[in-house]
Amino acid sequence: NAGVMQNPRHLVRRRGQEARLRCSPMKGHSHVYWYRQLPEEGLKFMVYLQKENIIDESGMPKERFSAEFPKEGPSILRIQQVVRGDSAAYFCASSLPSNTQYFGPGTRLTVL
Amino acid sequence: AQTVTQSQPEMSVQEAETVTLSCTYDTSESNYYLFWYKQPPSRQMILVIRQEAYKQQNATENRFSVNFQKAAKSFSLKISDSQLGDTAMYFCAFMIYSGTYKYIFGTGTRLKVLA
Repeated sequence: NAGVMQNPRHLVRRRGQEARLRCSPMKGHSHVYWYRQLPEEGLKFMVYLQKENIIDESGMPKERFSAEFPKEGPSILRIQQVVRGDSAAYFCASSLPSNTQYFGPGTRLTVL
Repeated sequence: AQTVTQSQPEMSVQEAETVTLSCTYDTSESNYYLFWYKQPPSRQMILVIRQEAYKQQNATENRFSVNFQKAAKSFSLKISDSQLGDTAMYFCAFMIYSGTYKYIFGTGTRLKVLA
């Protein structure tokens, strides 16, 4: 049973470009969470999604960030017009309802 | 407010010895789950151990065990017979249901196992 998959593992963007991060949950998992981790810091919750629904986006910046989890395909975290402060590791986790989260390997975003 | 506090930013332990990482949390919920995750230098987040709050018995997973004190809202992790591969950041977390499922993470403890 494949674990949570994230791609790309490393992403380099110039300021003003768009970043798209993908997350494929574990088989059978219908819940996806996105977190951001700055260097030497803990995980900060961003958004919680179920298929075709955003359940909780209280941790998402109001501008430039969006997330989706379509009926088919991976969950996407999109960051428009990236700035240097967006440089971080972005982790996706998936779970069954009311169950343990399993994490992907993360995408390290570097904004030049 | 729901919070998790890990008061030890860094710790070290000699190989083969035992170390305990502390974690306290605050919630008004009565039903929740507690977790310890490990993040080695590869940065992959790995589940170490999980505890249901309604269970009095402390969870164990091989060399890893917890001391869960519900009244004190304390959830410490004990690592026995420490190995070099245990070197990592350790995050304490809990999950509650408050309209939606929420995970709250602590800021982590960096553990270094010394040869």
